[in-house]
Amino acid sequence: DGGITQSPKYLFRKEGQNVTLSCEQNLNHDAMYWYRQDPGQGLRLIYYSQIVNDFQKGDIAEGYSVSREKKESFPLTVTSAQKNPTAFYLCASSIRTGGQETQYFGPGTRLLVL
Amino acid sequence: DAKTTQPPSMDCAEGRAANLPCNHSTISGNEYVYWYRQIHSQGPQYIIHGLKNNETNEMASLIITEDRKSSTLILPHATLRDTAVYYCIVRVRTNAGKSTFGDGTTLTVKP
Repeated sequence: DGGITQSPKYLFRKEGQNVTLSCEQNLNHDAMYWYRQDPGQGLRLIYYSQIVNDFQKGDIAEGYSVSREKKESFPLTVTSAQKNPTAFYLCASSIRTGGQETQYFGPGTRLLVL
Repeated sequence: DAKTTQPPSMDCAEGRAANLPCNHSTISGNEYVYWYRQIHSQGPQYIIHGLKNNETNEMASLIITEDRKSSTLILPHATLRDTAVYYCIVRVRTNAGKSTFGDGTTLTVKP
């Protein structure tokens, strides 16, 4: 099946620990994104990458890090510097066709701090 | 990118049309209107987009006013599975990274 996969669906972290969320896509999309969603709120952009080996900070990048070593993978690390990491994390990818760019989202990972 | 204003919640009877409004009074000439929806605890799903003409696809219709300051997403025959949060976004068509997902409208379809 083609699409975006995120794993795990639920992730538990102890305070002070770093944790990495996985995002993989086999859609051959160039751009990938990470968003954070808190209960009852919209999505906020953490990081995005438009091409391999390049990425830019979004609106709330502090306490997070990413890498883009492969086109199909864009892992997000939630570091101990992120003081309030409990949230729903969404990965997305996009491709430009016919002058249009549309995003497609993965199923999300829910991170809980113990 | 322009910001949008949506009502926080709406109800709709099953089988009826659901009309979801969105105000985007500061939209620029090169910005498109996009609609996504998010069913509980899932990733957002693309629905439709448009610039100035009305658009229709298998999921919905999009009506954009002539001055482009507002739009309406229409689900012609709402079903219980259409219960979700609906997001209206305005952005240039080639920069999805600039999508700003506000709080959206929670649509509840009732039997």
